[in-house]
Amino acid sequence: DTEVTQTPKHLVMGMTNKKSLKCEQHMGHRAMYWYKQKAKKPPELMFVYSYEKLSINESVPSRFSPECPNSSLLNLHLHALQPEDSALYLCASSQGTSGGSRETQYFGPGTRLLVL
Amino acid sequence: AQSVTQLGSHVSVSEGALVLLRCNYSSSVPPYLFWYVQYPNQGLQLLLKYTSAATLVKGINGFEAEFKKSETSFHLTKPSAHMSDAAEYFCAVGGPFGNNDMRFGAGTRLTVKP
Repeated sequence: DTEVTQTPKHLVMGMTNKKSLKCEQHMGHRAMYWYKQKAKKPPELMFVYSYEKLSINESVPSRFSPECPNSSLLNLHLHALQPEDSALYLCASSQGTSGGSRETQYFGPGTRLLVL
Repeated sequence: AQSVTQLGSHVSVSEGALVLLRCNYSSSVPPYLFWYVQYPNQGLQLLLKYTSAATLVKGINGFEAEFKKSETSFHLTKPSAHMSDAAEYFCAVGGPFGNNDMRFGAGTRLTVKP
């Protein structure tokens, strides 16, 4: 099973709301990623977790707060977002054992977020 | 730092014609190179991956790519386009050192005309 699942598929939220995006994988992967993708652009890396510890934070605003409760789950907590944060948010996972960025990343279908 | 450049943001071919999507890389160490495909409203799916085992890499859906060190290229090809190949294609580069971050090219949108 090479599936990464993400919920919800779509999310509309106001600038004062608090919401969470969820990602799950059962491939035994130890690295998990959050990407942001704007229309007609490549994915932009936001966060990387390796063995449940945050290893990369690409200078993401604090209104985005990641959490990795266990090796299968990855959350992205959202608070006080801006309209420019509207995008497709992709989760991915990889084995996490090879080190570096040589590993194949498996992507979920994404959550399409609209901030009003 | 590693990076990839995809030449041509949009490529249009006729059904049955050759598909050629261009990718050039920049890396100070032997790179790991990937091609991903993204269909509308979906996540990214791996097409193929170069790991130095062979310069010609075969992937899914009839795609293949050839690693040419002298040209620092990793172009994606398919002999005969199918309507279902219409999608966004991303070339990406990784490496053996550093953090778990892969760098994507800007993407190429492939249109297939009937």
